[in-house]
Amino acid sequence: NAGVTQTPKFQVLKTGQSMTLQCAQDMNHNSMYWYRQDPGMGLRLIYYSASEGTTDKGEVPNGYNVSRLNKREFSLRLESAAPSQTSVYFCASREIGQAQPQHFGDGTRLSIL
Amino acid sequence: GDSVTQMEGPVTLSEEAFLTINCTYTATGYPSLFWYVQYPGEGLQLLLKATKADDKGSNKGFEATYRKETTSFHLEKGSVQVSDSAVYFCALSAPGGSNYKLTFGKGTLLTVNP
Repeated sequence: NAGVTQTPKFQVLKTGQSMTLQCAQDMNHNSMYWYRQDPGMGLRLIYYSASEGTTDKGEVPNGYNVSRLNKREFSLRLESAAPSQTSVYFCASREIGQAQPQHFGDGTRLSIL
Repeated sequence: GDSVTQMEGPVTLSEEAFLTINCTYTATGYPSLFWYVQYPGEGLQLLLKATKADDKGSNKGFEATYRKETTSFHLEKGSVQVSDSAVYFCALSAPGGSNYKLTFGKGTLLTVNP
């Protein structure tokens, strides 16, 4: 059981390049999330999808777009990468319900030069 | 709005020492509470949870009790090991429409020395 799978695991981009981070979950969860993690900042929510067909902005959506391709997949796109977007990106999924935990992928380590 | 406050780290302990990481929260109603652990180079893993007042979550020797009167969910372990070195996150899930999202604390780095 793979859980939440993120690709790629590492990536280096130049300023202005575009890129899509992929995320897939095999737990049949309704909700999916994208976070970024920076030193001293904890986790910050970029976008989330409460259910298939819906997406909403989180705390730090600027410079990002998302697509909920189907129930399994939720991608994050950087249209024009900036050095401030250097971070570790985590995807998570969760079943609906207050007591349900989130399940995280192993992250994508993204450096923008 | 909902918020989680954790004790700032880093926390450095010797092996077999007692661990407490404080976590307090602000939320309307009765949230569910979680502790996550993040080992170096990995994603967050659920460590334990509690869903109602006075519940005690436990796993791998770690415990935390949901205290409604003090709005706290402190993480404890009686005897830490080097392998417990990680970042620990407290989180809550609030009732009502916002329960699609978890609110996380900033994390506490724990280092255990042999």
